[in-house]
Amino acid sequence: KQEVTQIPAALSVPEGENLVLNCSFTDSAIYNLQWFRQDPGKGLTSLLLIQSSQREQTSGRLNASLDKSSGRSTLYIAASQPGDSATYLCAALTGGGNKLTFGTGTQLKVEL
Amino acid sequence: EPEVTQTPSHQVTQMGQEVILRCVPISNHLYFYWYRQILGQKVEFLVSFYNNEISEKSEIFDDQFSVERPDGSNFTLKIRSTKLEDSAMYFCASTGQTSGANVLTFGAGSRLTVL
Repeated sequence: KQEVTQIPAALSVPEGENLVLNCSFTDSAIYNLQWFRQDPGKGLTSLLLIQSSQREQTSGRLNASLDKSSGRSTLYIAASQPGDSATYLCAALTGGGNKLTFGTGTQLKVEL
Repeated sequence: EPEVTQTPSHQVTQMGQEVILRCVPISNHLYFYWYRQILGQKVEFLVSFYNNEISEKSEIFDDQFSVERPDGSNFTLKIRSTKLEDSAMYFCASTGQTSGANVLTFGAGSRLTVL
């Protein structure tokens, strides 16, 4: 059974800082690894998707990497802004492409 | 940008009552999902649906739950007799494919409060 863990659970940084969020998963037989953003009381916004054959994906100030063999993914946020404050979730897609297994998330606060 | 639409945004119900949560997936998508998130806990997979039938379901999705695509646009989740522990945010998602490039688009969620 796939288990996904995220550390840290919460992070508070000053504006402008670069930061790394960590995600680990127990079953390396994944189709892809996705990072989502969740604002309080809102839905899930897809940020980046890394297919199992890929090593990283970039979108603007965000860069996600994937190391399947070690069961790890990282989300790097460059030059953080207060608008980046949210909960970041990683999720591994397994089971014939049908099922996402989510981590508990990292709650990020970027302060002025 | 196409959206997944969920209604209601918040529903309060008494224990034992039936609840139907509604979703309108993106129009050309073929695969539909329900997930739930109990407050302070992980987002959990409930069920996936394709070609008018359930393709996979989790242990959570017991006989109290059912899904239906009653017409060409809506996708519903019914909870037959709600329990206190059913209180959660329920997310609908859809995608046009199942592959490594599968990006699920999630709705904003329906918050269910069972009293």
